[in-house]
Amino acid sequence: DAGVTQSPTHLIKTRGQQVTLRCSPKSGHDTVSWYQQALGQGPQFIFQYYEEEERQRGNFPDRFSGHQFPNYSSELNVNALLLGDSALYLCASSLRTSGINEQFFGPGTRLTVL
Amino acid sequence: AQSVTQPDIHITVSEGASLELRCNYSYGATPYLFWYVQSPGQGLQLLLKYFSGDTLVQGIKGFEAEFKRSQSSFNLRKPSVHWSDAAEYFCAVGARGSTLGRLYFGRGTQLTVWP
Repeated sequence: DAGVTQSPTHLIKTRGQQVTLRCSPKSGHDTVSWYQQALGQGPQFIFQYYEEEERQRGNFPDRFSGHQFPNYSSELNVNALLLGDSALYLCASSLRTSGINEQFFGPGTRLTVL
Repeated sequence: AQSVTQPDIHITVSEGASLELRCNYSYGATPYLFWYVQSPGQGLQLLLKYFSGDTLVQGIKGFEAEFKRSQSSFNLRKPSVHWSDAAEYFCAVGARGSTLGRLYFGRGTQLTVWP
């Protein structure tokens, strides 16, 4: 049973560029959440997708956007990259109908902005 | 607003010693509670979780945690630490009543284990 997978593993971009990160949820899961983890910090919630719609959003600017596909996989897009966007981006999946908030995390994508 | 406090940024213990990592949360009701572990450059692995019932929960790798409602705490414990337990540990809370709820994390506690 494959867990949550993310691609790419590492990414280097320059300021002002745009980036797309990808996530495939755990088999049987239908909800995907994205978190940003800056160095030395705990993960911060970006947003959550269910039924191809953004359902909840954390305190992140509109430069951060996402998408969920019919197969439940998801993308995180960040436009106009800033140095401060350098972080580990974690994807987590869960099952909405489980009635509980248990999320399974992928290995993350390390984004470096130069 | 929900928040999680892990007061210890860094803890060092000797191998074989006992361990307790502290976690305090702020939430209007009883939340879901989690402890995750993260090795360098890796994602988060779930150690244990509390949803309801017995306030002492057992997890993987010999870890346990106790939910104390009166103290708004969910401290993680292990009776005898192994060198492989060196990692960063995160406490998290999740809202009840919403299956689309997000997790709120503490800033983590870095555990160093001396041989």
